Amino acid sequence: QKEVEQNSGPLSVPEGAIASLNCTYSDRVSQSFFWYRQYSGKSPELIMSIYSNGDKEDGRFTAQLNKASQYVSLLIRDSQPSDSATYLCAVKGRNTGFQKLVFGTGTRLLVSP
Amino acid sequence: GAGVSQSPSNKVTEKGKDVELRCDPISGHTALYWYRQSLGQGLEFLIYFQGNSAPDKSGLPSDRFSAERTGGSVSTLTIQRTQQEDSAVYLCASSPSVETQYFGPGTRLLVL
Repeated sequence: QKEVEQNSGPLSVPEGAIASLNCTYSDRVSQSFFWYRQYSGKSPELIMSIYSNGDKEDGRFTAQLNKASQYVSLLIRDSQPSDSATYLCAVKGRNTGFQKLVFGTGTRLLVSP
Repeated sequence: GAGVSQSPSNKVTEKGKDVELRCDPISGHTALYWYRQSLGQGLEFLIYFQGNSAPDKSGLPSDRFSAERTGGSVSTLTIQRTQQEDSAVYLCASSPSVETQYFGPGTRLLVL
């Protein structure tokens, strides 16, 4: 089992819709969770971090964490074509001494006009 | 302020040659990470420096790979006797703590 798993996609949504990106992790004691966005040919950029159960909202983005289910998600409301990118889930857990991020392979999001 | 910078942005080398990749972290950031990303793949952790502590080298794929960080700032990743499977984008990230990481633009390495 991979430490951090994501569906590779692509996830296709029409402009204006809600895009839902999901991530599961294997280390139950993981403490910190991050979503990075990576445009094609570019480096990852941090868009959200979440540390406790529940929802965290920032503009059009909402991160959701459920530690009991070992599940973290990212919702993008009012999706725009400029949101088209690969979204990487990253987790910091006990098996890395809480020092390093373990990344999923990413989900490619395509937002069509 | 300036972000993380990496050089060169692109590197083409012949199999068997050594290469050096450089990373300049954000000033004041104590943590520095190297990752590798192959085409269409996720980020593979290579090595982590935190302050003056011994680096975490657990992700280095072979003894051909090494890295150093001088003066707690600039880092160099060296790949000796490069192989075609070393072709990838090498990303550096720095962090002011153990949380948020800021990535550089990467070095695209192609081994012919």
